[in-house]
Amino acid sequence: AQRVTQPEKLLSVFKGAPVELKCNYSYSGSPELFWYVQYSRQRLQLLLRHISRESIKGFTADLNKGETSFHLKKPFAQEEDSAMYYCALSGLDGGSQGNLIFGKGTKLSVKP
Amino acid sequence: DAGITQSPRHKVTETGTPVTLRCHQTENHRYMYWYRQDPGHGLRLIHYSYGVKDTDKGEVSDGYSVSRSKTEDFLLTLESATSSQTSVYFCAISVGGEKLFFGSGTQLSVL
Repeated sequence: AQRVTQPEKLLSVFKGAPVELKCNYSYSGSPELFWYVQYSRQRLQLLLRHISRESIKGFTADLNKGETSFHLKKPFAQEEDSAMYYCALSGLDGGSQGNLIFGKGTKLSVKP
Repeated sequence: DAGITQSPRHKVTETGTPVTLRCHQTENHRYMYWYRQDPGHGLRLIHYSYGVKDTDKGEVSDGYSVSRSKTEDFLLTLESATSSQTSVYFCAISVGGEKLFFGSGTQLSVL
């Protein structure tokens, strides 16, 4: 079964510290993975997707197929990074385009 | 915002009453989705649509129905609301493959 696991409900770090939000997935095929972010009182928005191999707002994420992981990293956290982060997996079964499976989310709190 | 709006933004209703939430898009996208967001559960797919009158169930479809009579509107109906359906409901559209754009959400409270 397809599954996304985010083991940490809450992650608290100090400003300037490195941050790593963990995401593990279960999927038998070739996965498409995403990170979505929800800032306070705002809608969910795409942060990055693994096929783009891009860095957004200083965040990067590398797909590790051997460890079935897609951890989100940033070397120096900022207070404005405080938000809810969701890892998501594309459910490619049956061609249901955009049918994403989300993890339960990790709330990142960056303290001054 | 990819031209997606949800209404109402907030709704308080009583157990057993019917409730309809509306999602409206202005850019003619084919795929539309309804998710619910709950603490400790993340986002879970309720129903989705891949065209006018073409819909399918998601992970948590029990107690919900949907309709899409026009490309731009995707309606979510709770036939008889229960307290377990108190949640934040998000509509989303698929853009450029699997990139989802979300609406602002509807906070529904069932008393």
